[in-house]
Amino acid sequence: GAVVSQHPSRVICKSGTSVKIECRSLDFQATTMFWYRQFPKQSLMLMATSNEGSKATYEQGVEKDKFLINHASLTLSTLTVTSAHPEDSSFYICSAGLAGVANTGELFFGEGSRLTVL
Amino acid sequence: AQSVSQHNHHVILSEAASLELGCNYSYGGTVNLFWYVQYPGQHLQLLLKYFSGDPLVKGIKGFEAEFIKSKFSFNLRKPSVQWSDTAEYFCAVKRSGGYNKLIFGAGTRLAVHP
Repeated sequence: GAVVSQHPSRVICKSGTSVKIECRSLDFQATTMFWYRQFPKQSLMLMATSNEGSKATYEQGVEKDKFLINHASLTLSTLTVTSAHPEDSSFYICSAGLAGVANTGELFFGEGSRLTVL
Repeated sequence: AQSVSQHNHHVILSEAASLELGCNYSYGGTVNLFWYVQYPGQHLQLLLKYFSGDPLVKGIKGFEAEFIKSKFSFNLRKPSVQWSDTAEYFCAVKRSGGYNKLIFGAGTRLAVHP
């Protein structure tokens, strides 16, 4: 199946710094990617929909100035957590689907990135 | 907006027991339905999905789910669980067509004892 890869898988940073997480579709093109956040022992909460070449669409309650999303190409979306604070510590997961005629609506998930803010 | 409800938050079974995890969704239109599994320390994996056609869907590892439109349900079943099925199971729903948002249920944590 299609592979989605995230980097880094784990990151520890100091409070106040910014952290960038990359999401790549390795063997397919993805016009749309989704960013989720998962707190310990909880479900995945959709943060935003990332569209190639246009602005991301954020879910209610998600600060777009804090969670910057860039989808510059059909294989790469980035999530930047700006001025990170300990409450931003979480597991961030991206997902993507096939573009064009191969689109089945099925999403493929990355392995997730665990952010710890000290 | 659509939502997903999983009735059981924590299930404990012995090996060889049968499993049924409940999932109900709220959305009046056509939907696509999914069950994902997350093994400890691993990322989400797709167990099975329903897009259209036969409402009884068979997935990997002996899992199956039945879509009952009148009940807005998509319950996951397995006749005989194994210790290796210990994991967290998420039901998810999206509006049919294209890349509409995939909304997850709260998850059910399954523990299978030998």
